[in-house]
Amino acid sequence: GDSVTQMEGPVTLSEEAFLTINCTYTATGYPSLFWYVQYPGEGLQLLLKATKADDKGSNKGFEATYRKETTSFHLEKGSVQVSDSAVYFCALTTFSGSARQLTFGSGTQLTVLP
Amino acid sequence: SQTIHQWPATLVQPVGSPLSLECTVEGTSNPNLYWYRQAAGRGLQLLFYSVGIGQISSEVPQNLSASRPQDRQFILSSKKLLLSDSGFYLCAWRGTSRLGPGEQFFGPGTRLTVL
Repeated sequence: GDSVTQMEGPVTLSEEAFLTINCTYTATGYPSLFWYVQYPGEGLQLLLKATKADDKGSNKGFEATYRKETTSFHLEKGSVQVSDSAVYFCALTTFSGSARQLTFGSGTQLTVLP
Repeated sequence: SQTIHQWPATLVQPVGSPLSLECTVEGTSNPNLYWYRQAAGRGLQLLFYSVGIGQISSEVPQNLSASRPQDRQFILSSKKLLLSDSGFYLCAWRGTSRLGPGEQFFGPGTRLTVL
């Protein structure tokens, strides 16, 4: 079955540091890939997405590139802010199944210190 | 634009009491609907999904049930809550077109504490 593996957290960075959160996947089909962000006490928000190989999703200074050859979708940001402190989830979906379920990674807690 | 609502936002219930959580979606028709649970410090667990009125698929056998009485309404229920039912419950929706990336959009969640 499909699966997503994220780097274990928590991750603690100083403001303006470079962020990388690794995400790799296995999928039976050709998946679409997503990053979601969850701020404390809130639901998940879609951060960015990519639907085919070499696509780069970007939003709010975050980027991730769909790498089919390495089955990866690593999240990066050049300069993090305190407001980026949240839990980040990598996820995928394929065209199989009637409900096109999302498969999530376990989440990575990011804390950014001033 | 589409919006998704969940209520209540927080709930504290005694063990053995019933539960009803509600989720409604506005601005779309015939969405796929999902219930997830997030235990403290853990990832997301898919509980139920629905592709239409009265159609419920259960992913994990447990103390909970779901119903979809209307197109844009999804209800999570229990007859008798357990301590292990505590968690953060999230409802999500997705459009039914096979085109597009297939992302889901989440509600604000309900924090349930069973004492």
